[in-house]
Amino acid sequence: DTAVSQTPKYLVTQMGNDKSIKCEQNLGHDTMYWYKQDSKKFLKIMFSYNNKELIINETVPNRFSPKSPDKAHLNLHINSLELGDSAVYFCASSQAGTSNEQFFGPGTRLTVL
Amino acid sequence: GNSVTQMEGPVTLSEEAFLTINCTYTATGYPSLFWYVQYPGEGLQLLLKATKADDKGSNKGFEATYRKETTSFHLEKGSVQVSDSAVYFCARRDSSYKLIFGSGTRLLVRP
Repeated sequence: DTAVSQTPKYLVTQMGNDKSIKCEQNLGHDTMYWYKQDSKKFLKIMFSYNNKELIINETVPNRFSPKSPDKAHLNLHINSLELGDSAVYFCASSQAGTSNEQFFGPGTRLTVL
Repeated sequence: GNSVTQMEGPVTLSEEAFLTINCTYTATGYPSLFWYVQYPGEGLQLLLKATKADDKGSNKGFEATYRKETTSFHLEKGSVQVSDSAVYFCARRDSSYKLIFGSGTRLLVRP
């Protein structure tokens, strides 16, 4: 069974378009995250939601808007895509606690042309 | 500031060689520490973790010991295999929910 799933796996689009990436977890976790991994493999957190409430919002352009319809889903909508948005986006989830192990999805490779 | 520093890669080893990937952190207090592994084309998987000083995390022959005196969490394996080729990320948890990752170290194991 897939624990954290993301769709689509690959996304190729033109500059200026609006796109969404979806994430779902079936682990019963209460916290979900979005990370961006650049071409040099550097990973940086973008957002985190706990029980559908935004708890972490790093310095991310407001063209990026996360939405959590319920605890099991955290979607990422990106407006007016730019070349620099090209990256791999990872969703993750965890259950709040002392060890806070995060489980990652397979990633969505976004290419903006 | 609060950060995680890993050795630069790529690290290239022959099969059965000994592996060390250095990781040091800066933080207030004693954060939980993690090693994640990313195999080609996949997401990150937790490899091992340690939640307090002197703890040793271990999994699949990999080990790392939480050393508060040197603020380090170096990853070691006694005998690497070709299937260990991947990118390894050291991370620490901060006082909120988020993980702070190092820059990743690519390991390439040759037969």
